[in-house]
Amino acid sequence: EPEVTQTPSHQVTQMGQEVILRCVPISNHLYFYWYRQILGQKVEFLVSFYNNEISEKSEIFDDQFSVERPDGSNFTLKIRSTKLEDSAMYFCASSSSGQHSPLHFGNGTRLTVT
Amino acid sequence: DQQVKQNSPSLSVQEGRISILNCDYTNSMFDYFLWYKKYPAEGPTFLISISSIKDKNEDGRFTVFLNKSAKHLSLHIVPSQPGDSAVYFCAARHTGANSKLTFGKGITLSVRP
Repeated sequence: EPEVTQTPSHQVTQMGQEVILRCVPISNHLYFYWYRQILGQKVEFLVSFYNNEISEKSEIFDDQFSVERPDGSNFTLKIRSTKLEDSAMYFCASSSSGQHSPLHFGNGTRLTVT
Repeated sequence: DQQVKQNSPSLSVQEGRISILNCDYTNSMFDYFLWYKKYPAEGPTFLISISSIKDKNEDGRFTVFLNKSAKHLSLHIVPSQPGDSAVYFCAARHTGANSKLTFGKGITLSVRP
């Protein structure tokens, strides 16, 4: 069964550094998402992406964050200058078109900012 | 602002019995509801969904019930198996193609052998 893959599984970075989290969505999916889960908290929406542009973003997704689909397969989340509070699990998801299409999630990247 | 609420943080049931996981929502614009299962160190896995035009959807051992007037849904697992032990998230989406999902905090289900 096709799946969403994320790399790396764990990323440790120093405060102020830039990180890029990578995702390969399911190949025939058209909608892409990033979510995060801070330890002990709920899964929070960051951003959705369709047709090479952001379709929706949350208040968490400020100017420090950006997303890109640099080629036909990868979908990346960049954090320009990491903060301690960016430490979380970051999940990529994708879905096919249609109002009742579920999101399929990757296994996440654990980001630790020291 | 908790638009999707899972008020019970945990549930423990005996193997073979029914597990009932509850979820409430406040946003009347939600029209599609999903349940996800999550094991440690993995991402959420889609389990079952229901649209607001239905009140029940069944898939094997899993049934989701929706009560729109009460803004309440529940997931029934019968019979429960030890492999069902995981965190279960309720999620909802409002009208609009492929809009974001809003998640509840999750319920940890433990199925005792």
